[in-house]
Amino acid sequence: QKEVEQDPGPLSVPEGAIVSLNCTYSNSAFQYFMWYRQYSRKGPELLMYTYSSGNKEDGRFTAQVDKSSKYISLFIRDSQPSDSATYLCAMSGPGTYKYIFGTGTRLKVLA
Amino acid sequence: DGGITQSPKYLFRKEGQNVTLSCEQNLNHDAMYWYRQDPGQGLRLIYYSQIVNDFQKGDIAEGYSVSREKKESFPLTVTSAQKNPTAFYLCASSIYQSAGAGKTGELFFGEGSRLTVL
Repeated sequence: QKEVEQDPGPLSVPEGAIVSLNCTYSNSAFQYFMWYRQYSRKGPELLMYTYSSGNKEDGRFTAQVDKSSKYISLFIRDSQPSDSATYLCAMSGPGTYKYIFGTGTRLKVLA
Repeated sequence: DGGITQSPKYLFRKEGQNVTLSCEQNLNHDAMYWYRQDPGQGLRLIYYSQIVNDFQKGDIAEGYSVSREKKESFPLTVTSAQKNPTAFYLCASSIYQSAGAGKTGELFFGEGSRLTVL
């Protein structure tokens, strides 16, 4: 079993839809959770960072962590064609230099 | 502007040649990393460095070498021993992450270097 599971997609939605992206993980020691957006042939851009459980909102983006279920989510409201990209989840434990990444979900927002 | 600069963006290598990818950061981060990204696979860790003059092998270090002589710089050499070097290489950095110290574990990436073996 992989430490982090992420559906590769592609996920196609109409413009203006609410998008839900998810990752599950197996290591209960993870405390730092990140979401990245990656456009083709570009480096990943950090969108959201969450420490431990709870929700965090930034503009149209909401990150949610449920440590009891080992499940994290990224919600995108009012999705735009410019949101079309691959979204990577990542996580890490305290005092470690290793970050574990999901394989990424390809999102297409159709105009 | 603070950030991570990777160069070159595109690089072509002949069989049997070593090539060096540059990574410079001005974020004053202690830790630096090199990842490899292949289609359909997650990011795989090649090497990481927590502090100047120290570095550790990641999951796929064979055929690669690094140095960390300055805090800002972490170059990666892809040697001729690397069997399948064609890939997208990503450099990243983070602030030192100590347990319970309240420091964040955000990881920031450069724009990447695409290496193609001819």
